[in-house]
Amino acid sequence: GAGVSQSPSNKVTEKGKDVELRCDPISGHTALYWYRQSLGQGLEFLIYFQGNSAPDKSGLPSDRFSAERTGGSVSTLTIQRTQQEDSAVYLCASSLVALGTGTNSPLHFGNGTRLTVT
Amino acid sequence: AQSVAQPEDQVNVAEGNPLTVKCTYSVSGNPYLFWYVQYPNRGLQFLLKYITGDNLVKGSYGFEAEFNKSQTSFHLKKPSALVSDSALYFCAVRDYVFGNEKLTFGTGTRLTIIP
Repeated sequence: GAGVSQSPSNKVTEKGKDVELRCDPISGHTALYWYRQSLGQGLEFLIYFQGNSAPDKSGLPSDRFSAERTGGSVSTLTIQRTQQEDSAVYLCASSLVALGTGTNSPLHFGNGTRLTVT
Repeated sequence: AQSVAQPEDQVNVAEGNPLTVKCTYSVSGNPYLFWYVQYPNRGLQFLLKYITGDNLVKGSYGFEAEFNKSQTSFHLKKPSALVSDSALYFCAVRDYVFGNEKLTFGTGTRLTIIP
């Protein structure tokens, strides 16, 4: 497809269970971001991947959260032992990055995964 | 550190009137500034950006934004509002520091255009 694809679109899970959220970025985009959107909280940065560089994990709220990006393409965000406060929409975005110089490229967002922890 | 503030949670404007959605920012260096829009049940879409040059930036759907360095602001504007402009608008900033690719978003402003 032409855009960023996220799956599942909706996920309901019980407290304490693990969940995996998937993001398929736009082909050729080397930068990939995860954000979390909670009601009234705006967009909260979680993690950033750029090519083969070490990811910027500074936004992950706890060690229950982890993410990986395999082969520089698809990314998976994993939340272990989910809590009710993890309920939110998890957004993935990708952008085309000029290597070594930073970028002004806009982010292209997926439609998100709405996670509900009961 | 970089941050952005959108002081208004909600803005209501009559159709046909000019609209302004406010944004102020804080960076240690030079800012890269962006506006994104989120329509109901749809993902965020890029509207416009300021990198350098002319302080007045034009974007999609007739929107424009004015960069004001002295006031550290980047307000979004449109001369004549349409009902279809009703959506959630986010301002975002990135501090121009080499290696900093993090984009920080505001909390969003819900714009409602009244017919």
